[in-house]
Order: sequence, then C-alpha cells, then structure tokens
Amino acid sequence: DTGVSQDPRHKITKRGQNVTFRCDPISEHNRLYWYRQTLGQGPEFLTYFQNEAQLEKSRLLSDRFSAERPKGSFSTLEIQRTEQGDSAMYLCASRGDTSNTEAFFGQGTRLTVV
Amino acid sequence: AQKITQTQPGMFVQEKEAVTLDCTYDTSDPSYGLFWYKQPSSGEMIFLIYQGSYDQQNATEGRYSLNFQKARKSANLVISASQLGDSAMYFCAISGSARQLTFGSGTQLTVLP
Repeated sequence: DTGVSQDPRHKITKRGQNVTFRCDPISEHNRLYWYRQTLGQGPEFLTYFQNEAQLEKSRLLSDRFSAERPKGSFSTLEIQRTEQGDSAMYLCASRGDTSNTEAFFGQGTRLTVV
Repeated sequence: AQKITQTQPGMFVQEKEAVTLDCTYDTSDPSYGLFWYKQPSSGEMIFLIYQGSYDQQNATEGRYSLNFQKARKSANLVISASQLGDSAMYFCAISGSARQLTFGSGTQLTVLP
C-alpha cells in the first residue's frame, strides 16, 4: 500500500493521559499536514511540515500539542494531558512538491477521551 | 487569510439527476488552487477535482465538473448522473501561498433512489 497510513486507527484514553499518533506519508511527498475534524465539521488545520521543518502551526495547536517529523519521513503528533475536548478525528495528509497538487489523506485516528 | 464558505449543510438529489454543490471562497493570494473532496461515512477523504486560479477552462473529471467563476469567487461542484454511492459529505478547499489547505464546513449529499 503506497498511500498515507496512520496508526492507530482508534484510541480511547482517560482524561489527563498522553497520546501519540503516527503518520507515514507517501514516500516521495515532502509536505505533510495534520488536521483535526469533529463530527459534522470540515477538517481544521493544525500544523504543516516541509521535510523535517515545521513551517506553520495553527492557533488551535495549544501547548499540549506537539508534532515532529524528525527525518522528513514519518511524523508524530502528541497530545499531553488530554481533555474531553480533544476527542476528534486526527487526519494526516501529504502533498508533493508542485505548489497546488492535491493532498492525499490517511484514514485518520479517532481519539476518544473519557 | 483564506476562507471557504459552503452554505448548503444538506442536499438531496434523485438518482440519475445532476446536482450542484455551492462553494465560495475568499483569498488575497493572486495564485491559488481550489479542490473538492468527498468523505463517505467510512471517514476517508477522497480527492475529486482541482481547479487552478489561472486555468482558463473549467476542470472536469468523469461525472464531476467544477464551475469556476473567478469574478464571483465561486467554485461550485457539479455531479452529473448521481449514483447512490455519491451519498457522502463533500468539502471544498483552497490552497494558496499559505500552503495549507483550508476547508469549508461541508455539504451532506443524499442521493435518493
């Protein structure tokens, strides 16, 4: 499978716990995005990497959220001290070099904070 | 800043009929791209069609066409000959110098048999 893959697909955690999600983009794509999507809404931009550099972060990304892409390949998104409001689908997408190519999305990680 | 507005929370269409999903956008970038994605109940985001701001012709991909009216800042999606499998959430998105894709709130399309 050469698409974008995300792991895990589902995560249930207790409030206050830390969680980490992983995204493996399409191998030749240098641009990687994280989005959050709540029920009935469009995806909201969280952060953007070009290779290993984190170039943009949304104001939505509080101090409890951190993302990395250490070698310019896979990326991780960590949420510390989870809150019930963090419950959402977390989507990862990757894009190639050309400025306005489409983004390819993974199937997402659904987080439920109880 | 970029913004996408989709004013139709839900739409119904009879099978085999055509349907238009509305999208208006706002951007200060001189060059930008407009995208439509489909999200079925399974959750994956499926790319449908792309229109560049400098493209002279409206984009078409099979049963999907994008009615691009630059002066009105609209990029409506037209689905011809609707099928039951077209029932899904549809999102319009824009990408410009900000490099991120900004999405609208979506339109839930239901195709009736």
